[in-house]
Amino acid sequence: SQQGEEDPQALSIQEGENATMNCSYKTSINNLQWYRQNSGRGLVHLILIRSNEREKHSGRLRVTLDTSKKSSSLLITASRAADTASYFCATDQAGTALIFGKGTTLSVSS
Amino acid sequence: DADVTQTPRNRITKTGKRIMLECSQTKGHDRMYWYRQDPGLGLRLIYYSFDVKDINKGEISDGYSVSRQAQAKFSLSLESAIPNQTALYFCATSDLRLRGMFFGPGTRLTVL
Repeated sequence: SQQGEEDPQALSIQEGENATMNCSYKTSINNLQWYRQNSGRGLVHLILIRSNEREKHSGRLRVTLDTSKKSSSLLITASRAADTASYFCATDQAGTALIFGKGTTLSVSS
Repeated sequence: DADVTQTPRNRITKTGKRIMLECSQTKGHDRMYWYRQDPGLGLRLIYYSFDVKDINKGEISDGYSVSRQAQAKFSLSLESAIPNQTALYFCATSDLRLRGMFFGPGTRLTVL
């Protein structure tokens, strides 16, 4: 069964705006990871946040994790057209494999 | 060269045919995975392997089999393909601590 559920399913914004995506999961985790997928291509790892961390930054990306609510958010600041892609959260529960959510499709128009 | 390669990239086949999808990696990772992606369903785990002697079923292994020929090679077989196996298939690798997965470009499989 799938662990993570992203919200919203789809998001459309203008260039320069911020994009926020949320992920909820069901069971305890070792870490949570975010991935990006350009149309029909392989996923690319963006950022990992451990269960004992609350916030992490990487360039224009900011990830938060609230283990009490079993949720995470990914913020992309100052979005660009090139950020148009699908974004997936994935959880590591038992150190064996990642379980992926269904993804958020982000569209950034110029 | 790409770290994780998959062949073929596209395949159209008929119901009942045997199909093999191949994956090779140059990351030096011990762990390899096969996922399937369907529109609106995200990625679902088919099989994973921690080394050449370790094969584990994932969430949706029925109708699939795998072979880990070497540390760098992990193939996925559909013994008798059926139309609902039409999907995008991804191979991925990771280190022992699962600090991130590296994905291949995918194989788009259509079963008629």
